[in-house]
Amino acid sequence: QLVETGGRATQAGESLRLSCTASSYIGDSFVTWVRQAPGEGLECVAVISPDGSRYYADFTMGRFTISRDTSKNTLSLQLTTLRVDDTGVYYCATGIGNYIDVWGKGTTVTVSS
Amino acid sequence: QSVLTQPPSVSGAPGQRVSISCAGSSSNIGAGHFVNWYQQLPGTAPKLIIYGDSHRPSGVPDRFSGSKSGTSAFLAITGLQSEDEADYYCQSSDTTLNGPYVFGTGTKVTVL
Repeated sequence: QLVETGGRATQAGESLRLSCTASSYIGDSFVTWVRQAPGEGLECVAVISPDGSRYYADFTMGRFTISRDTSKNTLSLQLTTLRVDDTGVYYCATGIGNYIDVWGKGTTVTVSS
Repeated sequence: QSVLTQPPSVSGAPGQRVSISCAGSSSNIGAGHFVNWYQQLPGTAPKLIIYGDSHRPSGVPDRFSGSKSGTSAFLAITGLQSEDEADYYCQSSDTTLNGPYVFGTGTKVTVL
């Protein structure tokens, strides 16, 4: 139901755009990107609420931008000034209330120095 | 460093009961925010197994149960099975942080 694309190997300082296509309407849901560094836990990167409010994790420090297109049921994450510690699997997900009920399979971002 | 702390690992023999704790504070679990739990099998995306503290989505076996007390939440797995070997994460919200999703540190469940 959620398919991510855009992950690849890149160099520190570069930019990437991750995309996610949903099979159903996303405008009524929280939509989020959650990442997982190799061997580590889950951390929420950014969220858009149904009313369009955006939330970002502190570690993004203005480098990442989340956006959605409810007419196309797509979600994007623009990553800039990438760092080595941004390496990981990035999951697109949708939620209801404060829980996440649908997850994509993830797309892998590898940042080398 | 997450505001929700879980033990790194728990283990049990098949058929046994294991419990995973999720320790929070007055700004998250103690503030009344719902706690949710996810199972992540190796190499796969997380899967919701408990929402709203204690509710199971359709298709989740009833050997998984959730509870909450004070500033902590708990996931219990009764009748442990080999296919339950996975990583488990609690998740809630925190009034001091941006956004609705804060995850626990994660617990690896090993079936002996």
